Amino acid sequence: GENVEQHPSTLSVQEGDSAVIKCTYSDSASNYFPWYKQELGKGPQLIIDIRSNVGEKKDQRIAVTLNKTAKHFSLHITETQPEDSAVYFCAASGPSGGSYIPTFGRGTSLIVHP
Amino acid sequence: DGGITQSPKYLFRKEGQNVTLSCEQNLNHDAMYWYRQDPGQGLRLIYYSQIVNDFQKGDIAEGYSVSREKKESFPLTVTSAQKNPTAFYLCASSIGPHSYEQYFGPGTRLTVT
Repeated sequence: GENVEQHPSTLSVQEGDSAVIKCTYSDSASNYFPWYKQELGKGPQLIIDIRSNVGEKKDQRIAVTLNKTAKHFSLHITETQPEDSAVYFCAASGPSGGSYIPTFGRGTSLIVHP
Repeated sequence: DGGITQSPKYLFRKEGQNVTLSCEQNLNHDAMYWYRQDPGQGLRLIYYSQIVNDFQKGDIAEGYSVSREKKESFPLTVTSAQKNPTAFYLCASSIGPHSYEQYFGPGTRLTVT
């Protein structure tokens, strides 16, 4: 099955700095890569996603890049703000056995210091 | 106001008791999922249902049971056979079994003592 590794587990930055979270996946059949933001005590919220036919996608201060050959994808947050502090999860999914259920990374706790 | 609701937000039980967690959605989604989240771990799949009256085990189904009698509802029962039931439980849904995007509820934190 799919295996997703996520690094780092904790990331501490100053307000205004950039933050980068990296994930690798193992199954070359995976073709959808979402990123979720989870605030304390709440459920994860989808913030951006990318499909395998695209190399990069941006939405205001966040962007995701995908390298299919190397099987890794990254989340980039620019001009970080204290409200960006949360746990971020990457995931990978594809039509494996007819199921599109994602495999999640272990999460990255992002702390943005004012 | 569409979405996924989970109740209650906090649940406390004594060891040896079964407990049922509620998950309701009004998004008209066919597929629903239950995940367990422990500190420092990703989301681990317990059970999922792609259509009413059908469900499949996920990666960590032992000690749990589910039902899917209505499209809107997918309750999870944590039985006394679950050895470490204290965790944060998340319910999610997607439009259909071949849909990539999942939408999550707010979660229920279960504490068993």
